Amino acid sequence: AQTVTQSQPEMSVQEAETVTLSCTYDTSESDYYLFWYKQPPSRQMILVIRQEAYKQQNATENRFSVNFQKAAKSFSLKISDSQLGDAAMYFCAYNWNYGGSQGNLIFGKGTKLSVKP
Amino acid sequence: EPEVTQTPSHQVTQMGQEVILRCVPISNHLYFYWYRQILGQKVEFLVSFYNNEISEKSEIFDDQFSVERPDGSNFTLKIRSTKLEDSAMYFCASRGARREKLFFGSGTQLSVL
Repeated sequence: AQTVTQSQPEMSVQEAETVTLSCTYDTSESDYYLFWYKQPPSRQMILVIRQEAYKQQNATENRFSVNFQKAAKSFSLKISDSQLGDAAMYFCAYNWNYGGSQGNLIFGKGTKLSVKP
Repeated sequence: EPEVTQTPSHQVTQMGQEVILRCVPISNHLYFYWYRQILGQKVEFLVSFYNNEISEKSEIFDDQFSVERPDGSNFTLKIRSTKLEDSAMYFCASRGARREKLFFGSGTQLSVL
């Protein structure tokens, strides 16, 4: 069974500093997607970044980047120049066969990120 | 950016009552989903819907749950006889063609008393 593990229940970072959130997953599939979602106190799920497993290049979105290590089944999120608005719960998620009608997101338990001014 | 709309934002019901949670997916999307999140826990998949039928469901999605796309625009989740443990935030999501990203609604907080 596919699983997603986030081993850091809480993290803290100083404003303008860099923080890395960890995620590992387990799957026997070769074609899959990985995601990081942000959930602020409003509880809306906001896609931060996604990575396609067949792409070796790490995805980046402005201040957000990932370190995707396929062999190690590791998918960490780096937030650079942290801002107060980055404070939220961050969920790592996995999905196989994303393009098909079947498939669903499997989420980790989340990491609560605090940003100190 | 287009949005998935969910109504109501909050719903309170008595145990044993039926509830219907409503969602309006993005208009040209083809794949629809319901997820739930019990407070303080991870988001869990409930069901996916494509071509007017359920394509996949989790073990959470038992006979008390049903989904429907009654009119080509709305996508509903019905819980026939609510239990205390059904209290959660319910998220609707949709996506368009293959490999496009998933759009989540802002959720309906269901409280069962």
